[in-house]
Amino acid sequence: SAVISQKPSRDICQRGTSLTIQCQVDSQVTMMFWYRQQPGQSLTLIATANQGSEATYESGFVIDKFPISRPNLTFSTLTVSNMSPEDSSIYLCSVVHRGHSGANVLTFGAGSRLTVL
Amino acid sequence: SQQGEEDPQALSIQEGENATMNCSYKTSINNLQWYRQNSGRGLVHLILIRSNEREKHSGRLRVTLDTSKKSSSLLITASRAADTASYFCATAGRSGTYKYIFGTGTRLKVLA
Repeated sequence: SAVISQKPSRDICQRGTSLTIQCQVDSQVTMMFWYRQQPGQSLTLIATANQGSEATYESGFVIDKFPISRPNLTFSTLTVSNMSPEDSSIYLCSVVHRGHSGANVLTFGAGSRLTVL
Repeated sequence: SQQGEEDPQALSIQEGENATMNCSYKTSINNLQWYRQNSGRGLVHLILIRSNEREKHSGRLRVTLDTSKKSSSLLITASRAADTASYFCATAGRSGTYKYIFGTGTRLKVLA
């Protein structure tokens, strides 16, 4: 399975600022995914980062708030723009790969824990 | 919401005991997977069960699936302190889809 490096691992940010999270994969992957996990909650898919085209956003998430770049098959960034305390979450990068059973499974980065003051 | 529900939300047991957590989902699935998350870090894939399977084992893990009830359970036998984590079920719909819907999670604490 792929190894994913994500940074920063955590940050404390001021309201109104923006922060970019980086995700580096040790192999080429077609799709990369960005999830948000609010405190004590489950994971919610923000968008799918496609190489060579715009990201595909899920309902409730928009490009202006969460711009995503995917310059090549091993790297993606997620920016959280104009942050408010409600954006305090763990942001997770993931990729899909074939598991032992032959079905698709997800591998995750370690996450970026953002706290917005 | 398409999100699945898990229960219990939190579970505290003694080392050596078995831990059972349940997951219910809402839509037809191709497979159901269980993931573990340690201390708000990234998730790690544990086990996958396909929609045509009823039970699967992997080491100390046992997963069951009842598609008629749209539910699954994860059993961890002979639990260890290192099993302390949050456990999430995730469902994938039709074959080939990459969109996974995660359950609400169970926080397991194993006391030494």
